[in-house]
Amino acid sequence: AQKITQTQPGMFVQEKEAVTLDCTYDTSDPSYGLFWYKQPSSGEMIFLIYQGSYDQQNATEGRYSLNFQKARKSANLVISASQLGDSAMYFCAMSPNTGGFKTIFGAGTRLFVKA
Amino acid sequence: DARVTQTPRHKVTEMGQEVTMRCQPILGHNTVFWYRQTMMQGLELLAYFRNRAPLDDSGMPKDRFSAEMPDATLATLKIQPSEPRDSAVYFCASGLGTGPLSGNTIYFGEGSWLTVV
Repeated sequence: AQKITQTQPGMFVQEKEAVTLDCTYDTSDPSYGLFWYKQPSSGEMIFLIYQGSYDQQNATEGRYSLNFQKARKSANLVISASQLGDSAMYFCAMSPNTGGFKTIFGAGTRLFVKA
Repeated sequence: DARVTQTPRHKVTEMGQEVTMRCQPILGHNTVFWYRQTMMQGLELLAYFRNRAPLDDSGMPKDRFSAEMPDATLATLKIQPSEPRDSAVYFCASGLGTGPLSGNTIYFGEGSWLTVV
C-alpha cells in the first residue's frame, strides 16, 4: 500500500534560519513523483516543489529544496532563510505511476517562524 | 491566470439535506480529484477521474456520496443525505495526467467549506 509519513506535527524555526521538514514514503512502484505543498491559514493549497523518482539531482525552487534519499525513501523539504510568511502547514505528497496519477498526502507539518 | 474554481465556497446545511459541490478544472487538464480535509483525518482522497472516467472512488462513502463529471469542464460531488460528520473542507484539484514522472503537479481550488448542523 502507498503511504506518506510526516512525523513532525509542529516545528519552530527562527526567522532567517533554515529548517528541514521530514517526509518518508512507502511504495513498491519504482516510478513515482514526490511533491510538497504549502497551506497557509487562508486554506489554499500551494504547490512548492516536485521530485521524480529517477531524477539524479535534488530539486530546488528558490528557497525550497528537496533532499531526496531514494534508498531511505525520504523526501525532506528544506526551507532556507525562513521568513515570517513561511508559517503554514506543509504537506508531502506522492503520486505513484501505477494507479494513474493518484496523489496521496501525508498528515502535514505545521511550521511556525519566530521573529 | 488559470485556476480551479469551486462552488460554493461556504455552505451551512441541516442534517439530512442534499449538498452538491461543483468544480471547474483548469482548461485542458484531464485528471480531476476530490479531497476532503478534516483536522482528524487530514487530506483524504475521495475520488478521481481521468478523461471524465472514474478511476478510483474507494475513499468515498458509497452510501451517501457520489461523484460525477458530466462534461470536461464540470465535476460534481454530491452528499445525500448529509450528516454532521461530513463537515469538512472539500477540495477539488486538477492536473494534466501524463504521469508522475513528467512533473505535472495538481492544482487545487480554494475549497468548499461545508458545515452540517
